[in-house]
Amino acid sequence: QKEVEQNSGPLSVPEGAIASLNCTYSDRGSQSFFWYRQYSGKSPELIMFIYSNGDKEDGRFTAQLNKASQYVSLLIRDSQPSDSATYLCAVNRGTGNQFYFGTGTSLTVIP
Amino acid sequence: DAGITQSPRHKVTETGTPVTLRCHQTENHRYMYWYRQDPGHGLRLIHYSYGVKDTDKGEVSDGYSVSRSKTEDFLLTLESATSSQTSVYFCATKGPTGGRYNSPLHFGNGTRLTVT
Repeated sequence: QKEVEQNSGPLSVPEGAIASLNCTYSDRGSQSFFWYRQYSGKSPELIMFIYSNGDKEDGRFTAQLNKASQYVSLLIRDSQPSDSATYLCAVNRGTGNQFYFGTGTSLTVIP
Repeated sequence: DAGITQSPRHKVTETGTPVTLRCHQTENHRYMYWYRQDPGHGLRLIHYSYGVKDTDKGEVSDGYSVSRSKTEDFLLTLESATSSQTSVYFCATKGPTGGRYNSPLHFGNGTRLTVT
């Protein structure tokens, strides 16, 4: 079983819609959760991190964490064509040094 | 961002030759990482460092070695490059840990390596 799993997509949404990206993880000891955006040919850039159960909002982005279900998601409201990218979920076990990444979900926002 | 510079940005080399990739950071972060990214596999950890001269292996360390003689520099060496090491290599750093939660990774711009 992979440490972190994501649907590879591609996920297509119309401009202005809500995009929902999902991620599950296998280690119940995981404490820190991160979402990265990666444009084609570029490096991953941090969008959000979340540590506690519930929702965390930052502008158009909302991260949701449910530790009981071992599930973390990213919602993008009012999706824009510039949001078209691959979104990577990453998980860390407490203060451990290793981060585990999903393979990413490709998102396309259609104008 | 975290002031991470990777060099070279692109490299083409022949099978069997040694190759060294360099990562330089200006944030004085203690932790530095080398990942490779391949289609269908995502980001996979090669090696990481938790201080000068302190390194540890990741999940895909075979065929790679690292060195860290200064806080700001982390080198990745392919002793004898193989075609399976054709990939995009990313360096990342991590800031200090705060309690039970971890700081995020910040990535350099990557090195595209082609082994022919």
